[in-house]
Amino acid sequence: DAGVIQSPRHEVTEMGQEVTLRCKPISGHDYLFWYRQTMMRGLELLIYFNNNVPIDDSGMPEDRFSAKMPNASFSTLKIQPSEPRDSAVYFCASTSQKGGGSGANVLTFGAGSRLTVL
Amino acid sequence: QKEVEQDPGPLSVPEGAIVSLNCTYSNSAFQYFMWYRQYSRKGPELLMYTYSSGNKEDGRFTAQVDKSSKYISLFIRDSQPSDSATYLCAMRNAGNMLTFGGGTRLMVKP
Repeated sequence: DAGVIQSPRHEVTEMGQEVTLRCKPISGHDYLFWYRQTMMRGLELLIYFNNNVPIDDSGMPEDRFSAKMPNASFSTLKIQPSEPRDSAVYFCASTSQKGGGSGANVLTFGAGSRLTVL
Repeated sequence: QKEVEQDPGPLSVPEGAIVSLNCTYSNSAFQYFMWYRQYSRKGPELLMYTYSSGNKEDGRFTAQVDKSSKYISLFIRDSQPSDSATYLCAMRNAGNMLTFGGGTRLMVKP
């Protein structure tokens, strides 16, 4: 398995532009998480999905952020309009809860998308 | 105050040293405790996880949980330069959402 695949790896954009980050989870995983990592705030959970359904989006900073999971193999995180304070590394992670509850501990992370908003 | 506190370091040790990494937390509902390792420009990867209090050993790594003190530790024996990374503690209650510490950067010098 190729693991969790994220694109783009790096994105530089100007304030006000729309940014779309993409994620392909590991095949068969039924949970998908979006995290944001900054030096100041560490790793923060933004939203997570179970079987393509958003379960908890309480970490989404504001209405400028939206996430979708149209099918089991693809998810997007969109920021519109982007602001300099959105600059961070965005990680997607997936796991499976099938066969037991400990799957929630074993997140497989992608390599991240490094976003810079000028 | 953050739910999970972790000294950011950096922690610099010579090769072969025993390393102790620690986290404290405030939420007594946390039941599962994990350590993730993150190399530069990579995503975190799970090292170990434990349920409730006690010790767990895996090769050179030992995880300890003291729920009465709300304190968890990761020990690395015979540390190697390849252990140089950021170590993140994480924990959760019965739900599916992990709460991460800020990470401790470790440097093992040859």
